[in-house]
Amino acid sequence: EAGVTQSPTHLIKTRGQQVTLRCSPISGHTSVYWYQQALGLGLQFLLWYDEGEERNRGNFPPRFSGRQFPNYSSELNVNALELEDSALYLCASRLRDRNSPLHFGNGTRLTVT
Amino acid sequence: GEDVEQSLFLSVREGDSSVINCTYTDSSSTYLYWYKQEPGAGLQLLTYIFSNMDMKQDQRLTVLLNKKDKHLSLRIADTQTGDSAIYFCAGKAAGNKLTFGGGTRVLVKP
Repeated sequence: EAGVTQSPTHLIKTRGQQVTLRCSPISGHTSVYWYQQALGLGLQFLLWYDEGEERNRGNFPPRFSGRQFPNYSSELNVNALELEDSALYLCASRLRDRNSPLHFGNGTRLTVT
Repeated sequence: GEDVEQSLFLSVREGDSSVINCTYTDSSSTYLYWYKQEPGAGLQLLTYIFSNMDMKQDQRLTVLLNKKDKHLSLRIADTQTGDSAIYFCAGKAAGNKLTFGGGTRVLVKP
């Protein structure tokens, strides 16, 4: 069974640009979560999508947004990139059962110069 | 919301047992999780424990939960060099998100 897949694996952008990160959940998983892992700051919750709807978002500015498609895949968009957006962006998915564990992809490493 | 804290670093000799500790604040957390992150990779789910359990064993891994003290630990028996990684504990907070500790870096010395 394929795990959570994320693309691209690495990305270099310039300050002020926009970026789109993509995530495909494990087959049968309906919920997708996005986390930011910046150096020295641990994992910070960004967004939770379930059945195509945004269910919860973390303490991030509106320039962080996303969506979930009917096939449960998801995109994370970041506008007006800032240097401090440089981080590993991790996507995770889980089954419909809210108590099922999250399974993570290998992340997208974003570098903003 | 949930706060989760872990010690930063643990050094252990190959073959010894490792114990990684975690404290959390939200007593309503129904599940508590342990994840492993190797360099350049995402998080790998190791094990998890339901809040009405005190202990869970899975091969070399033993999870102990002390609900009174809100303390969670992960014991790795017969630690191997491949166990060198960052270990995160996580609890489920309100809003159905997982809140992670800062991670414990485990270094296994031969």
